Amino acid sequence: EAQVTQNPRYLITVTGKKLTVTCSQNMNHEYMSWYRQDPGLGLRQIYYSMNVEVTDKGDVPEGYKVSRKEKRNFPLILESPSPNQTSLYFCASSLGVRGGGTDTQYFGPGTRLTVL
Amino acid sequence: AQKVTQAQTEISVVEKEDVTLDCVYETRDTTYYLFWYKQPPSGELVFLIRRNSFDEQNEISGRYSWNFQKSTSSFNFTITASQVVDSAVYFCALSEALIKAAGNKLTFGGGTRVLVKP
Repeated sequence: EAQVTQNPRYLITVTGKKLTVTCSQNMNHEYMSWYRQDPGLGLRQIYYSMNVEVTDKGDVPEGYKVSRKEKRNFPLILESPSPNQTSLYFCASSLGVRGGGTDTQYFGPGTRLTVL
Repeated sequence: AQKVTQAQTEISVVEKEDVTLDCVYETRDTTYYLFWYKQPPSGELVFLIRRNSFDEQNEISGRYSWNFQKSTSSFNFTITASQVVDSAVYFCALSEALIKAAGNKLTFGGGTRVLVKP
């Protein structure tokens, strides 16, 4: 089954304790992205990757890191989490940006993170 | 900069009523894509539709229909004969196709929560 998976689905942690949220897709998609969802704000892009070893900042990158060593995986790293990073996080993937087109992004199930 | 506004934060209807969700967008690009996603209470995001800026034809899929009007920068979504299973948060989103530096970024509206009562 074609899908985007995220782990963990729920995480409660404390300020300053480094954590990683994994994201994996099995559709051979080039493009992957992380978003956070906050009430009333919709989803906002944190980081994106257009291909292996190619990553760039989205709209709200502060406090986050990513890496793209393999095509299928795109982990989100919080080196020193703070309470304002409490949010619902989504990973997404799409075929890629080809010739000016914009492919549909498919989302993982979400990771609910609470930072105390 | 691109922007999406969903002015209705919450809509409550009784089953079988029609409900229309408004979406207004701003972009300076002539080529862009519009999307609707559904987020049911379970939390996942479900893709509903993708429409490019050159295709202004309205679309119908079962009880769902979409009205794209470039003149008013709107991409409204109607659920006909609503059902309890339609209860969810619905997001409208925009992607500017030609700004490759921004990648494939989706700009989302704030979402509209639809509550369908039996």
